[in-house]
Amino acid sequence: EIVLTQSPGTLSLSPGERATLSCRASRTVANDYLAWYQQKPGQAPRLLIFAASSRATGIPDRFSGSGSGTDFRLIISRLEPEDFAVYYCQQYGSPWTFGPGTKVELK
Amino acid sequence: EVQLVESGGTLVQPGGSLRLSCAASGFTFRSYDMSWVRQAPGKGPEWVSAISRSGNTPFYADSVKGRFTISRDNSKGTLYLQMSGLRAEDTAIYYCARRGDSTSWYFYYFMDVWGKGTTVTVSS
Repeated sequence: EIVLTQSPGTLSLSPGERATLSCRASRTVANDYLAWYQQKPGQAPRLLIFAASSRATGIPDRFSGSGSGTDFRLIISRLEPEDFAVYYCQQYGSPWTFGPGTKVELK
Repeated sequence: EVQLVESGGTLVQPGGSLRLSCAASGFTFRSYDMSWVRQAPGKGPEWVSAISRSGNTPFYADSVKGRFTISRDNSKGTLYLQMSGLRAEDTAIYYCARRGDSTSWYFYYFMDVWGKGTTVTVSS
């Protein structure tokens, strides 16, 4: 199985700042089939990005994804108050696995 | 509105059984592969099981293989997860999720619609 590692574990930032989240795979993700999800307390994960860089329907353009192979990134260009949450990466190039998450918290 | 609503979660003793349901609405259920994903307290999500749109092809994580059975009733728009031989490590919120790319030929997929989840607690 592909193991996903996310860093940092916690990111402390202020509204308006830029957030860069990393997701590293233990081996190459086939077809760069990597997704990013946002999860707020008490809610289900919400799809943000699929296929490494495609935004899901309704997702603001301040969210962008990049990367290929084993290294992927999610960038939030200017944090809004509603963006403080936990973010998970998921690979679906082979049997599904998720990363442990990065918490973006208010500084 | 596209919606998935899970039910059936409860407190169950180790070794016990439980059946979860997921009622779909707002889309053509029979056209989508579906999955169950769980999330233990304070942990990341873990994929549990998937089933093809026809129901002919079930797929399981090693952690639940031989204990859990996924099924669906397309006439009722409902997905099921029959769980037996439950263990403490099965304690989690269980979500059903819809395949995000319904036209893709690829076996694996991202999930674009999730239910709110149902809580399963395995404890004596």
